[in-house]
Amino acid sequence: DGGITQSPKYLFRKEGQNVTLSCEQNLNHDAMYWYRQDPGQGLRLIYYSQIVNDFQKGDIAEGYSVSREKKESFPLTVTSAQKNPTAFYLCASSIGQPTGNTIYFGEGSWLTVV
Amino acid sequence: GNSVTQMEGPVTLSEEAFLTINCTYTATGYPSLFWYVQYPGEGLQLLLKATKADDKGSNKGFEATYRKETTSFHLEKGSVQVSDSAVYFCALTLISGGYNKLIFGAGTRLAVHP
Repeated sequence: DGGITQSPKYLFRKEGQNVTLSCEQNLNHDAMYWYRQDPGQGLRLIYYSQIVNDFQKGDIAEGYSVSREKKESFPLTVTSAQKNPTAFYLCASSIGQPTGNTIYFGEGSWLTVV
Repeated sequence: GNSVTQMEGPVTLSEEAFLTINCTYTATGYPSLFWYVQYPGEGLQLLLKATKADDKGSNKGFEATYRKETTSFHLEKGSVQVSDSAVYFCALTLISGGYNKLIFGAGTRLAVHP
């Protein structure tokens, strides 16, 4: 089945560590996105990528980094510079433009700082 | 700026009751409108969408009509079930900075009791 796979589902990070969340899609989508969701709140855009080897900062990029070396993969690294990283992280993808194209989401990854 | 406003939750209903979740938007240009649903601990699933004025999106008994004159996209269902308990997000997409940007409302939690 086609879809978006995020791993791990649950991740615990110690203070000062970097962690990487994986996102893989087999939908042949050009655009990929990372969102952060805090409890009881909506989603905020961290980074997005429209094509391979290109990505742009979203609304809350500080403390995060990404790469897009392959069309199907868009890993997110949460660095030690992110002051409050505990959240639910969602990866998404879409064909891209125009606006009517649906953005599809993975199942999410829970990150907790211990 | 571009934004989506949803009615605050939680919305608590008895099974078979009528559901309305209000959603209004502010956007430049001609956005596409979406409703996504999030079940506990999961990612977001597309529920329905509408890409132009007066379009009606429908799925699983849910409906929403794109009303340009009132800038609204209210979600309705004639008879809710316990399994509809989830968080519902209204969203719009538009082209911003050259990419397909998805803007979410804060979400409305629905709890349906037997």
